[in-house]
Amino acid sequence: QSALTQPASVSGSPGQSITISCTGTSGDVGAYNFVSWYQQHPGRAPKLLVYEVTKRPSGVPDRFSGSKSGKTASLTISGLQAEDESEYYCFSFTTRNTWVFGGGTKLTVL
Amino acid sequence: QVQLVESGGGVVQPGKSLRLSCAASGFTFSTDAIHWVRQAPGKGPEWVAFISNDGSRKYYADSVKGRFIISRDNSQNTLSLQMNSLRAEDTAVYFCARDQRDTWCVDYWGQGALVTVSS
Repeated sequence: QSALTQPASVSGSPGQSITISCTGTSGDVGAYNFVSWYQQHPGRAPKLLVYEVTKRPSGVPDRFSGSKSGKTASLTISGLQAEDESEYYCFSFTTRNTWVFGGGTKLTVL
Repeated sequence: QVQLVESGGGVVQPGKSLRLSCAASGFTFSTDAIHWVRQAPGKGPEWVAFISNDGSRKYYADSVKGRFIISRDNSQNTLSLQMNSLRAEDTAVYFCARDQRDTWCVDYWGQGALVTVSS
């Protein structure tokens, strides 16, 4: 199972919006709405930001939003803040009853 | 609060075995599925294995299928990962992580246990 494709890095200034894409196949991202997004700071476990493409767990700011079109899911962070600088991963359930992560995107807040 | 605590990590030679454990608390363990996820140094997470709440369904990543065995004891609120025929590429921090019911994602993670496969 190949990792989902994410850009290696994105950047933005405080207050701006950025979008991270996550491209898979008809066997994972394109198959179901079971795509989730995680934020991971160095040395910490990942934190759930978005699940089922668009839903946010309680406590996650509405600056974080998710969407999907076909085989590509996206995470948008609006009103960038310095503390958003982190690594972001998408995660998808697949038609083989397995799960697959994206390769990760490093967000730099300029 | 939900807590997952991994143990059993360490240094092991290639070809040998190691068993990881995960102690769960703060939720009704027997009603939730659990995953193992690993992360090699400097790399992104990799999904490893899944076990349903009652242990009847188990799924594995191709990279570990036939070598790793996931199991659980709902009477003890514990999860295990038996890792056999270990390879250098299995070196990673291993996390147990709770599946958020009906959403096929992970909502809570343990702190991780480091497994180093080296001669």
